[in-house]
Amino acid sequence: DGGITQSPKYLFRKEGQNVTLSCEQNLNHDAMYWYRQDPGQGLRLIYYSQIVNDFQKGDIAEGYSVSREKKESFPLTVTSAQKNPTAFYLCASSMAIAYEQYFGPGTRLTVT
Amino acid sequence: DQQVKQNSPSLSVQEGRISILNCDYTNSMFDYFLWYKKYPAEGPTFLISISSIKDKNEDGRFTVFLNKSAKHLSLHIVPSQPGDSAVYFCAASAFGTASKLTFGTGTRLQVTL
Repeated sequence: DGGITQSPKYLFRKEGQNVTLSCEQNLNHDAMYWYRQDPGQGLRLIYYSQIVNDFQKGDIAEGYSVSREKKESFPLTVTSAQKNPTAFYLCASSMAIAYEQYFGPGTRLTVT
Repeated sequence: DQQVKQNSPSLSVQEGRISILNCDYTNSMFDYFLWYKKYPAEGPTFLISISSIKDKNEDGRFTVFLNKSAKHLSLHIVPSQPGDSAVYFCAASAFGTASKLTFGTGTRLQVTL
């Protein structure tokens, strides 16, 4: 049963702490992506990776970091430098040459 | 700079009628367009797509129309069902951009009984 898993579904952190969001896929997809959704806004691309050990900044990468050590995993770290970290975070994956991206269930991060 | 725009934040349609969701884009390099459906607190699910070499693509109750000269696309749902109530996002990609998608802000569709 292939898919994308994100954990946890809800995450609470104090301001000033770094937090890492997990994303795992067993679809054998080469490319993986992280998006952020805020109320009334579309999905905005944070980082993406087309192959292992390589990733690129998206439109809003400031205050975030990623790693891609394994094809199946693409964790996102929200650092204390991110000014407005409270949001709904979505991970997606796709085949390298395909446009269609498949999304995980999301993690809602609340920072107080 | 919003390159993909969904100007209607919400739409209400009666069950059985047609739902028409609209999307405009400004980047002439976009050559592939997708529609996603999203329920609250869940990830978006892929619905239907269209390449710029076509002007229509149909899949069951869902049809997407593309008007390249107007830089406009629309999603038609016929007949609308209560389970179609969700937020619909339009997305676009340009060849050679590593499958990066640019999303619109979404339209919330409410299908009433």
